[in-house]
Amino acid sequence: DSGVTQTPKHLITATGQRVTLRCSPRSGDLSVYWYQQSLDQGLQFLIHYYNGEERAKGNILERFSAQQFPDLHSELNLSSLELGDSALYFCASSALRGGGHMDTQYFGPGTRLTVL
Amino acid sequence: AQRVTQPEKLLSVFKGAPVELKCNYSYSGSPELFWYVQYSRQRLQLLLRHISRESIKGFTADLNKGETSFHLKKPFAQEEDSAMYYCALAVYGGATNKLIFGTGTLLAVQP
Repeated sequence: DSGVTQTPKHLITATGQRVTLRCSPRSGDLSVYWYQQSLDQGLQFLIHYYNGEERAKGNILERFSAQQFPDLHSELNLSSLELGDSALYFCASSALRGGGHMDTQYFGPGTRLTVL
Repeated sequence: AQRVTQPEKLLSVFKGAPVELKCNYSYSGSPELFWYVQYSRQRLQLLLRHISRESIKGFTADLNKGETSFHLKKPFAQEEDSAMYYCALAVYGGATNKLIFGTGTLLAVQP
């Protein structure tokens, strides 16, 4: 167990709806990364937060947003959902702020989102 | 362009046979590479990173900058090695580190 937790495990919703995925990093880790894993795109980096601040965005749609709270947990908000948003969403945490030597990212169990 | 290529979607071997999971990368900087494993219904777990040069569960991987490869090897496959294996490249971009993943190779070890 890497210590990263994600809730919920599964989420089923309808097109047009909005959902929030939650991630708690390992104790002491200040960085949280979000990734999307889909059948056609594989694992794609979405966004990185460090100690409450956004550090970088990857292939994240404008309908998606994230934040990291003072207690360091992070939420990924997905709105105006489309069928193609169905995927497994992982978060990962690491100790460092990024931009330099790579530290290990530890992954959570993921949230499986199904959009009907 | 930053890219990780895993050419095999599926690799099926018999127990006791050698295993080589291929990974090639494209990156203009100094590469830092990882192998992650995902067992059925479990989270991604770090298997090894090239700078550690350690062997985990009998797996090794050597970075070959000339061939831009980071193939994962194990001399004798075990059934419990059956899993999805992802090669990942760390990319440093100013304020962030991010991982670029390959599409993964499913290793199936037959009894």
